[in-house]
Amino acid sequence: EADIYQTPRYLVIGTGKKITLECSQTMGHDKMYWYQQDPGMELHLIHYSYGVNSTEKGDLSSESTVSRIRTEHFPLTLESARPSHTSQYLCASSKGGYNEQFFGPGTRLTVL
Amino acid sequence: SQQGEEDPQALSIQEGENATMNCSYKTSINNLQWYRQNSGRGLVHLILIRSNEREKHSGRLRVTLDTSKKSSSLLITASRAADTASYFCATDPNSGNTPLVFGKGTRLSVIA
Repeated sequence: EADIYQTPRYLVIGTGKKITLECSQTMGHDKMYWYQQDPGMELHLIHYSYGVNSTEKGDLSSESTVSRIRTEHFPLTLESARPSHTSQYLCASSKGGYNEQFFGPGTRLTVL
Repeated sequence: SQQGEEDPQALSIQEGENATMNCSYKTSINNLQWYRQNSGRGLVHLILIRSNEREKHSGRLRVTLDTSKKSSSLLITASRAADTASYFCATDPNSGNTPLVFGKGTRLSVIA
């Protein structure tokens, strides 16, 4: 069982709200990632970080931001949620070497 | 897109049969990894094969890698109903410090 946590697990909000999805890991991994995944579909990389104060955009990043102030914490913020943001959001971490990724349980977001 | 392609997209077999899934990719790689995802959950790392390896085994899993054809296969022997899940390949590109590139996944159903 990977030591990576996501909160909340489920979130239902209205359009236009600002939300932050939390992700924390206790493995001391330097690399962390956010993915968006519709049920049964492919993963889309939103943002990633290779260390504190280092963040990079993925393929699907334009409507969200991330921060990496502490090694163990990598929150994702949507400034203004829209129905098109309805999806599952997966956080993952890895540590150098072979880049094997450890995934959290996901946050299922519904925007009404 | 650099994403790999899994084949088939969906596979349905009887318990006890073998399941074979294929993955093709486009760039040179350091290693290739296979992940499993149960419905509504995060991904779990199954097995990693390095670019200089041709075959690897782990329990009922057998992975092959053909770098000349840029393809890999995952064989699950003597499948069980509990193997029902989506399976994703992911490549670690041999091009700087870039994240894993995940394929689109194969949805496996094992019928008891």
